[in-house]
Amino acid sequence: DAKTTQPTSMDCAEGRAANLPCNHSTISGNEYVYWYRQIHSQGPQYIIHGLKNNETNEMASLIITEDRKSSTLILPHATLRDTAVYYCIVRVTNTGNQFYFGTGTSLTVIP
Amino acid sequence: ETGVTQTPRHLVMGMTNKKSLKCEQHLGHNAMYWYKQSAKKPLELMFVYNFKEQTENNSVPSRFSPECPNSSHLFLHLHTLQPEDSALYLCASSQPPQSEQYFGPGTRLTVT
Repeated sequence: DAKTTQPTSMDCAEGRAANLPCNHSTISGNEYVYWYRQIHSQGPQYIIHGLKNNETNEMASLIITEDRKSSTLILPHATLRDTAVYYCIVRVTNTGNQFYFGTGTSLTVIP
Repeated sequence: ETGVTQTPRHLVMGMTNKKSLKCEQHLGHNAMYWYKQSAKKPLELMFVYNFKEQTENNSVPSRFSPECPNSSHLFLHLHTLQPEDSALYLCASSQPPQSEQYFGPGTRLTVT
C-alpha cells in the first residue's frame, strides 16, 4: 500500500470549513483513498473513500487531484465534536485486510 | 454507534490472570478483526477472521488467543500477559472483507 503524508496537527475555528490535506505521490491506479478519524480513546470511525472522482456524504467531502497524488478531506462546518485525529489511508481494496493507520493529523476545533 | 460493541470497556488484570474480551457486530458482516493500539503508536492488526475462519495472524504471541464461534461474535482470550500488553484493543468488522471496516469503541486494558 502507498505511503501517505499528513501534517501532524491543525487548528480550525468552529463553524468554519476544515480542510485536511494528504499527499500520496506513489499511489497506484488501483488504490483507493480512505479517510478515518479517531476521537480520543475511541475506535476509529470511517468517514469516506474514493478512487479518482470527488465524493461527498453526510459527514464530509473528499477532493482528489486529477493526478491522484494528493487529496483533501473537507469538513464543511467544523464543530467541537470534530476534534480528533484524522487518518488518510491508501489501499487496494481487493488485496489483504489491513488498513495501515499512520500517525494522522490531530485536528483541534477552536470555539 | 457503529453497530460493533465491545465488552468490557475497561479491564485491569494481573500478569497471572486469565480474562477474555468480547466483540459483537450487528451489521451482518462476514469479516472480523482484532487490532491493538499502544500509546502513541499506530494501530496494529492482530487477527483476521473471514466467515469464522482465521485467515491472518500477524505474529501475535500465543498469550493472545482469538476465538470466532460465529460471524457475529469474536473473542480475545488473554493469559499471562505482560505490562507492555497494556493498550487499547479494538475490534472491527467489514463486508465484503475488502471494504471499509467499522470499529467498536475498544477495550482499554491495563496489565499490572
